[in-house]
Amino acid sequence: GQNIDQPTEMTATEGAIVQINCTYQTSGFNGLFWYQQHAGEAPTFLSYNVLDGLEEKGRFSSFLSRSKGYSYLLLKELQMKDSASYLCAVMDSNYQLIWGAGTKLIIKP
Amino acid sequence: NAGVTQTPKFRILKIGQSMTLQCAQDMNHNYMYWYRQDPGMGLKLIYYSVGAGITDKGEVPNGYNVSRSTTEDFPLRLELAAPSQTSVYFCASSPREAQETQYFGPGTRLLVL
Repeated sequence: GQNIDQPTEMTATEGAIVQINCTYQTSGFNGLFWYQQHAGEAPTFLSYNVLDGLEEKGRFSSFLSRSKGYSYLLLKELQMKDSASYLCAVMDSNYQLIWGAGTKLIIKP
Repeated sequence: NAGVTQTPKFRILKIGQSMTLQCAQDMNHNYMYWYRQDPGMGLKLIYYSVGAGITDKGEVPNGYNVSRSTTEDFPLRLELAAPSQTSVYFCASSPREAQETQYFGPGTRLLVL
């Protein structure tokens, strides 16, 4: 079966750095997405990786290793507004997104 | 651009009632999707469409129907509501290619009692 695993919850301090991991097993691979979802709101796009390596976008970076079925989202200089759930999703061979359950990130002052 | 819009925002249904969740996008996107999101679970794909007149089942289509008569609109129909359909429903769209980013509507919270 297809499976996306990510931690349920993480806590970090304002100003610090946090890494959210995602491992996946899917039928085929056509890219990995990270979305941010604030409580009660819709998911919004953060990053897309299809090749191995690190993609940097401001305070957020995303890494992919296809051979290991592994990705992480790195958030630097954490702000209180970064408190949200972070969803990892993999596009499978049918070009459908398979979603993880999300990681709830709690930022403390 | 309004992006992706959904109505209603919240609805309470009785078991056995039917309703249509509306979704519209003004970005001229070919691809549209319906997902449900249950607490502690990942988004599950219900139905999707690659263009007007073309729809296909996703992972959890039972109890739902869709139509796509125009590029802009993609309504989701619940015929006989059941408590298991209590969830948050998100509509999303993406441009021409399937690998593009998906843009989500604000969601409809449905409670079936």
